[in-house]
Amino acid sequence: EDQVTQSPEALRLQEGESSSLNCSYTVSGLRGLFWYRQDPGKGPEFLFTLYSAGEEKEKERLKATLTKKESFLHITAPKPEDSATYLCAVQAGTDKLIFGTGTRLQVFP
Amino acid sequence: ETGVTQTPRHLVMGMTNKKSLKCEQHLGHNAMYWYKQSAKKPLELMFVYNFKEQTENNSVPSRFSPECPNSSHLFLHLHTLQPEDSALYLCASSPGTGGETQYFGPGTRLLVL
Repeated sequence: EDQVTQSPEALRLQEGESSSLNCSYTVSGLRGLFWYRQDPGKGPEFLFTLYSAGEEKEKERLKATLTKKESFLHITAPKPEDSATYLCAVQAGTDKLIFGTGTRLQVFP
Repeated sequence: ETGVTQTPRHLVMGMTNKKSLKCEQHLGHNAMYWYKQSAKKPLELMFVYNFKEQTENNSVPSRFSPECPNSSHLFLHLHTLQPEDSALYLCASSPGTGGETQYFGPGTRLLVL
């Protein structure tokens, strides 16, 4: 069965303290892995799409990487405005996106 | 208007009411989706439409009825809902359904009393 697991469930960082979020997946025939950011009461905001192992993408303080079993979202020198829930999703052989439960990130000044 | 819009943003309804949620996308996409987001649970796909045709119904109860009149508009008709249906309902669109990025609207927060 296709599955996505995100860890940790919650993460508290001091401003400037770099860290990584993990997304482990088991799917047959990965078509894409997606990272989203979601603020409270709002819809998910697209960050990155990764298609093959070894691929990396960057945007400001965020960098996403992909292996055959997991993806990492690296946050370098985070700021309080980076506080949000980060969602990972995978698409396998159907039209469905399978989401993880997310990592709730809080960055304190 | 840009992106994906949803109306209303908030909705309170009784279990005997009938209401509809509306989604409109201004991205020229061909696929549209309904998701349900409940507290502490992953987003759950409800329905997928590709070129106005329903391609996925994820075992959703019949009290939820989708309608897709064209590639830009998607509706979710609600009737005789239960309190456990209270959630954030999200609409998304993508160019196609083959591993392409989905873009989400702001959601409708639904409370069923």
